[in-house]
Amino acid sequence: DAGVIQSPRHEVTEMGQEVTLRCKPISGHNSLFWYRQTMMRGLELLIYFNNNVPIDDSGMPEDRFSAKMPNASFSTLKIQPSEPRDSAVYFCASSAPLLAVKETQYFGPGTRLLVL
Amino acid sequence: AQSVTQPDIHITVSEGASLELRCNYSYGATPYLFWYVQSPGQGLQLLLKYFSGDTLVQGIKGFEAEFKRSQSSFNLRKPSVHWSDAAEYFCAVGATGGNEKLTFGTGTRLTIIP
Repeated sequence: DAGVIQSPRHEVTEMGQEVTLRCKPISGHNSLFWYRQTMMRGLELLIYFNNNVPIDDSGMPEDRFSAKMPNASFSTLKIQPSEPRDSAVYFCASSAPLLAVKETQYFGPGTRLLVL
Repeated sequence: AQSVTQPDIHITVSEGASLELRCNYSYGATPYLFWYVQSPGQGLQLLLKYFSGDTLVQGIKGFEAEFKRSQSSFNLRKPSVHWSDAAEYFCAVGATGGNEKLTFGTGTRLTIIP
């Protein structure tokens, strides 16, 4: 099993540019989570999907952030326009088929984003 | 809403010594509790989880945690640490109402000295 795959692993961009982060969940998992990790705020849940449908996006910081899951094997998190305060490590995680918090979340290696 | 507190930001332990990492939660009922570990440059990996039943939970890599309802705690322990245990450890709580959201603590960084 390849695990959760995220790309790119590192991204450096300039303020105002669009940034797209990508995630491929583990095959067969139908829940997908996007997290942001910073020194100041720790690990924050941004949004999660179940069966490709966004269930809770209350953690999305503002309209500059958007996430999609067009199919069961792919999700994107987009920031447009990006700002220096968006610099963080963004993690994607997926979990197994039951809609239950008891299922283990499997994390990808993260995308380290730096906005200059 | 649930919350988690990890009071220790950084702990240093000698190799071979015992370890206890503290975690306190706030939730109106019995929560689902988790410990995750994050090695440098890596994503989080589940160590163990508690849902119900036996309050002492065994996990991977020789870790265990004990749920104490009276203290609202779920402390992580290991009898003898290895240099490879150096990492950041996160406690997380999930609600029992079916929502999949986990709330993570701020983490405890563990340093192992020879």
